[in-house]
Parts: sequence; structure tokens; C-alpha cells
Amino acid sequence: AQTVTQSQPEMSVQEAETVTLSCTYDTSESDYYLFWYKQPPSRQMILVIRQEAYKQQNATENRFSVNFQKAAKSFSLKISDSQLGDAAMYFCALRGYDDYKLSFGAGTTVTVRA
Amino acid sequence: IAGITQAPTSQILAAGRRMTLRCTQDMRHNAMYWYRQDLGLGLRLIHYSNTAGTTGKGEVPDGYSVSRANTDDFPLTLASAVPSQTSVYFCASSDWIGPSSYEQYFGPGTRLTVT
Repeated sequence: AQTVTQSQPEMSVQEAETVTLSCTYDTSESDYYLFWYKQPPSRQMILVIRQEAYKQQNATENRFSVNFQKAAKSFSLKISDSQLGDAAMYFCALRGYDDYKLSFGAGTTVTVRA
Repeated sequence: IAGITQAPTSQILAAGRRMTLRCTQDMRHNAMYWYRQDLGLGLRLIHYSNTAGTTGKGEVPDGYSVSRANTDDFPLTLASAVPSQTSVYFCASSDWIGPSSYEQYFGPGTRLTVT
């Protein structure tokens, strides 16, 4: 079984500032993927960033970066230079390398203050 | 079209009624999935299919059925709706194997309210 925990239901950030979203997980798989998805008010699920567990280097996509701590089973998302368009619910998700099942956390709602 | 479409966008349904949520993809993905999204619970897998003609149960399959007659379509049926099935339903698709199989593409969702 695999579980994903997001302990922050809501986060607020000032425009242009940085916010970090927390995610911890548990899995018995040795190889797996970790993801952050963004869900804006439009409801569309958008893949923000992914991390392969075998890679030590943290993934980066423009203003989005992760801090992947495999031993601690932690996978946080940092949003730098926050923009109004970053306001959304963010989901952390996990999938075993040879598995079909994508397990999601409960989500963190990010509000961006102008 | 490019991607995944779902219909209807939203629906209010009386308890006990039968309802089919439709999902169509044009990316020729082998695998398709149905999730439900509930506040505080994230998205949970209901059913999946890794190829036409084959389906499997996910985390919360009770009260739902699916079929996969062809590659493109993956309808989800609620045989007799109950209020606990009030949720937002997402269809998704992906390659089943291969280097691109990690990414699931999601449809726009269907908001279903069972009264």
C-alpha cells in the first residue's frame, strides 16, 4: 500500500514571494515517481513537476522546484516569485514505477495576495 | 479535438437513478482511469483499464462499473446512484508501458450531485 500526506490544507503567499508546500509519503516500492499537480478554479488537473525516485538531483521547472528527501520520504514543492495565476489547489501524488495506480494527497489550497 | 473530453459537465441526479458518465480520448493511449475527487481526500481511483477489453478495480469501486469496448471510450456507470456518490469525477489516460507512461492526462471533470 502507498499513502501520500499533505498536512497543510491552506497556504497564503504574497505576490512575488516564495511558498513551500509539504508532502510526505510511504511506499514499499524501491522505484517510483512523485508528482505535483495543480488544479486551478477551472478544475483542470495540470502536471507541474515530476521526480523519479532514482534521481538524486531535485527536479526544477521554471519557478517550481522540489526538495526530494528519499530517506525521509519527503517531497516538498517550492514556488518562487509567486504570481496570481499560481492560486490553485496543489496535489502531491505517487506512482510505483511498474504500477498503474496514482495515489494522491488531500491537497493544499494556495492563495496569492496581490 | 485533442486530449480527453467528458460529458456531461455537471449533473443533478435523483437517488436510485442510473447514470453513465462519458469519457473519450483521442491520444490513442492504452490505459484509462476514473477518479473521484472529494474535499479532504484528494483523488481516488475507481476503476482502470490498461487496454481495450480489460478493466480492473481501483481503490473505491463499489457502486460503479466500467466498460472498454474500444481504445477511445471509457464510460463509467452508476447503476443506482446514492448521495455518497456526490463528487467530481475525472477521467484520465496514459500510455500503459514505456518511458512516457508516467504521465496521466486528465479530462475536465464531471460534477455529479445525487439528491
